[in-house]
Amino acid sequence: DAKTTQPTSMDCAEGRAANLPCNHSTISGNEYVYWYRQIHSQGPQYIIHGLKNNETNEMASLIITEDRKSSTLILPHATLRDTAVYYCIVRVLNYGQNFVFGPGTRLSVLP
Amino acid sequence: GAVVSQHPSWVICKSGTSVKIECRSLDFQATTMFWYRQFPKQSLMLMATSNEGSKATYEQGVEKDKFLINHASLTLSTLTVTSAHPEDSSFYICSARAGAGGSETQYFGPGTRLLVL
Repeated sequence: DAKTTQPTSMDCAEGRAANLPCNHSTISGNEYVYWYRQIHSQGPQYIIHGLKNNETNEMASLIITEDRKSSTLILPHATLRDTAVYYCIVRVLNYGQNFVFGPGTRLSVLP
Repeated sequence: GAVVSQHPSWVICKSGTSVKIECRSLDFQATTMFWYRQFPKQSLMLMATSNEGSKATYEQGVEKDKFLINHASLTLSTLTVTSAHPEDSSFYICSARAGAGGSETQYFGPGTRLLVL
């Protein structure tokens, strides 16, 4: 699976949009981009995933660049409860494979 | 989204005893479940892949005789930490795959915190 690079930490003001970048310059054509987050002492929570089109759900939006070498997760109106570690994972189409977690980005939403 | 549960949520045991952790997919069937371990301030590390009806596949460095995995049904996988020692104290998390094809999503349980005294 392609390696991802994320900033170690980010701050965001409550109520503002949080934009979390992820670089995956070696991504292959059949690899999806997934985002999970982990709130302290809990299991990871699925947020969103996409292949090449931008995606939106009730939690967030995922913007993938045209060359697919990077993506941005957008939390439109961050709340204090969005404080967590956010993981960007790219994953090949292989039914037997697990998700490999990097260090992620620690997002702190500040009041 | 799909729901995965774990039981117990936390456990304290004496050194040398065995501890069993259950992982259940509540509203979907999971032919494959995964077990992860997470130490403080570190990311999740995969321990093993559990396939229903067959032997688990362990990652390098994970002792299969110490961490016994059973995946007896499409909704239940168990991890037994045998002869637990203080260094086994960690946050154990399971996940199950929902869906088919390449875009299947993996859903995670809430985790089990193990403290070995």
